[in-house]
Amino acid sequence: DAEITQSPRHKITETGRQVTLACHQTWNHNNMFWYRQDLGHGLRLIHYSYGVQDTNKGEVSDGYSVSRSNTEDLPLTLESAASSQTSVYFCASSDGDRGADEQFFGPGTRLTVL
Amino acid sequence: RKEVEQDPGPFNVPEGATVAFNCTYSNSASQSFFWYRQDCRKEPKLLMSVYSSGNEDGRFTAQLNRASQYISLLIRDSKLSDSATYLCVVNTRTGGFKTIFGAGTRLFVKA
Repeated sequence: DAEITQSPRHKITETGRQVTLACHQTWNHNNMFWYRQDLGHGLRLIHYSYGVQDTNKGEVSDGYSVSRSNTEDLPLTLESAASSQTSVYFCASSDGDRGADEQFFGPGTRLTVL
Repeated sequence: RKEVEQDPGPFNVPEGATVAFNCTYSNSASQSFFWYRQDCRKEPKLLMSVYSSGNEDGRFTAQLNRASQYISLLIRDSKLSDSATYLCVVNTRTGGFKTIFGAGTRLFVKA
C-alpha cells in the first residue's frame, strides 16, 4: 500500500547541531509539506514543494531548509537547532493542483532540542 | 484575529449525544475546506471535505456558509471512539498557495 513515512520518530539533539528529518512518500504525489505542531497553535507550515526542484517558504521557515531532488522525498534540515524548535514535526503530501486537495500526513517526528 | 478560529473546547458529551463544532475563517477568497481528526499524539487524518451544498458521511454532516464565513461539523449519536481533536482546514488560492489549520476542538465522549 502507498504510504508516507518519517524518520526518525523521536530525536533528541543539542542546541547548535544540524538535524535532518526525513520524509518519504510512495503515492507519487507532486505536493509535499512540512508542518510543526505546538501546544496552543495549530499546524504551522514550514516549507512546501509542488514538485522536483521546487521549494517554497511557509509561515515559519526561519531556521529550516528543504530540498526536493525526487518526487518521493522532502528532507527537512534544521541548520543550527534551537530550543524554540522543540516540537512535533509532520510531513504531508497531496495530489492535485498545487495543494488544493486533501493532504495525507506521516506519523510525525518528535524533536527535542536541549 | 486568527485566519481560522475554532472553539478549543473541550466538549464533554455522553454517548449518543449530538455535538456541533463551528469554525470561522477570515479570508473571503478561501476556496476549499476540510475537517480533519487528530487522535492524541497521532497524525491528522481527513475526516471529510466540506462542499458548498453541505455533505453527509454516516453520522457526520459538514456545512459551509460562505456569506458568514464559517464551516460546521455535526456529529450525531456520538461514540466513545469519536473522542479526538477536530481540525478545521481552509485553503486559499489568492496569489500563492495557503492552507491554514485551525488549532482544533477537543471532544471527549463519555460512557
